[in-house]
Amino acid sequence: DTAVSQTPKYLVTQMGNDKSIKCEQNLGHDTMYWYKQDSKKFLKIMFSYNNKELIINETVPNRFSPKSPDKAHLNLHINSLELGDSAVYFCASSQDYFVGHSPLHFGNGTRLTVT
Amino acid sequence: SQQGEEDPQALSIQEGENATMNCSYKTSINNLQWYRQNSGRGLVHLILIRSNEREKHSGRLRVTLDTSKKSSSLLITASRAADTASYFCATSPIQGAQKLVFGQGTRLTINP
Repeated sequence: DTAVSQTPKYLVTQMGNDKSIKCEQNLGHDTMYWYKQDSKKFLKIMFSYNNKELIINETVPNRFSPKSPDKAHLNLHINSLELGDSAVYFCASSQDYFVGHSPLHFGNGTRLTVT
Repeated sequence: SQQGEEDPQALSIQEGENATMNCSYKTSINNLQWYRQNSGRGLVHLILIRSNEREKHSGRLRVTLDTSKKSSSLLITASRAADTASYFCATSPIQGAQKLVFGQGTRLTINP
């Protein structure tokens, strides 16, 4: 199936640990994103990559490091996890770099719980 | 604050009724998009309306855009239980970085 898939779906970990979330899209899109959705459902962009190049880094702490090995993959590594990092993280992709011109395709999210 | 703000935050109606959700935004935009999010799932794109368009239809969905008032509305006609979800508007600002800015969403519940 064509889709944006991210793993894992659930991630429960303790403060101070390091964790990674993986994302892959097989839609042939050039642009990929990470969004964070908090408990109040606010959805905020964290990063965007176009053809493996970082385009947007939305004042996210340095503990968050995205990596794009190729344009179909965008992984998110988080160091020294904090309680406030608990949220649902969504990967998305779009065909067009000019984001308003084409819709975003979202993965089903990774619910991160830091205890 | 968020660029897009939906109103109401929650809406509960009977199946078969129409549901209207509103979105207001602050800056000039290229276009506006509406997304649906079912519980525990990612957002799904519903419709995109460009800044030079006033109304757009897709099946039971009708979206309007009033750039003078910086507002948009999403109308779902003849609602069904399966329409129960959160609905988000997202704007693409003319100024600034290439990013979609989402509102907080409207939680829609369709009662059978």
